[in-house]
Amino acid sequence: GAGVSQTPSNKVTEKGKYVELRCDPISGHTALYWYRQSLGQGPEFLIYFQGTGAADDSGLPNDRFFAVRPEGSVSTLKIQRTERGDSAVYLCASSLTSASNTGELFFGEGSRLTVL
Amino acid sequence: RKEVEQDPGPFNVPEGATVAFNCTYSNSASQSFFWYRQDCRKEPKLLMSVYSSGNEDGRFTAQLNRASQYISLLIRDSKLSDSATYLCVVNSFTGRRALTFGSGTRLQVQP
Repeated sequence: GAGVSQTPSNKVTEKGKYVELRCDPISGHTALYWYRQSLGQGPEFLIYFQGTGAADDSGLPNDRFFAVRPEGSVSTLKIQRTERGDSAVYLCASSLTSASNTGELFFGEGSRLTVL
Repeated sequence: RKEVEQDPGPFNVPEGATVAFNCTYSNSASQSFFWYRQDCRKEPKLLMSVYSSGNEDGRFTAQLNRASQYISLLIRDSKLSDSATYLCVVNSFTGRRALTFGSGTRLQVQP
C-alpha cells in the first residue's frame, strides 16, 4: 500500500525482554516520527528523523529506548529490558518535510506493545 | 502543566447539534496549530489547520486566540460519523521540530 506500514501490529512480551518495532514510511517522505500513545492519552513524541539522522530525540524516556533509520527510509524502534509501563501503542508517522508548519503527519496503524 | 490541555469529555450530543471544543496551550511562542481526528483504535488523521484569522471547512470551523492561548473547534449539524476523539495539536518549544498533541476530547453523536 501507499501508506505508512508498521510491524508487528501486536506484540506481547515479558518484562525484561528486548523488542524491535518497525516502520516503513511513505515513499519519498524524508521526515519520520515515533510517538507512543497510552489509553486515554494523546500521542506522546519520542523521536524525529530527518533523513538518516535523529534531528530530535528529546522525547525518548530513558536510555532503554533507541531508534535508527540507517538508509533514510525504514526505521526501527528498539526497547531494551522492557517494563510494564512501556505497554502502549507505538505510532510511526511520516511527512514530506518537517511537519511543524504543515501539520500533515501521516500515521501508521501502530504497534500495540503489551509487557506482561 | 501540560503543553496542550483539553477537556477529555465525553461530549454526548444529538444529531444535528452544534458542539464546540476548546484547547489551551502553554507556550506563547507556538506558531502552528491543528486539529486531528482519531477514531476508536485507529490512527490520528489531520482534520484541519487553524489560522489566525479563523478558517472553515464545511461544517467545521477552527479559531485561534493568541492572546488567551486557546484554540477552538466548532462542529455544526453533527453527524453520527463525527463521533471520534478530537486532538488539539501545536508545534512545540523552539528547537523541537515535532508536533505536540493534547489528550483529546471525545465526541459521541447520538441518534
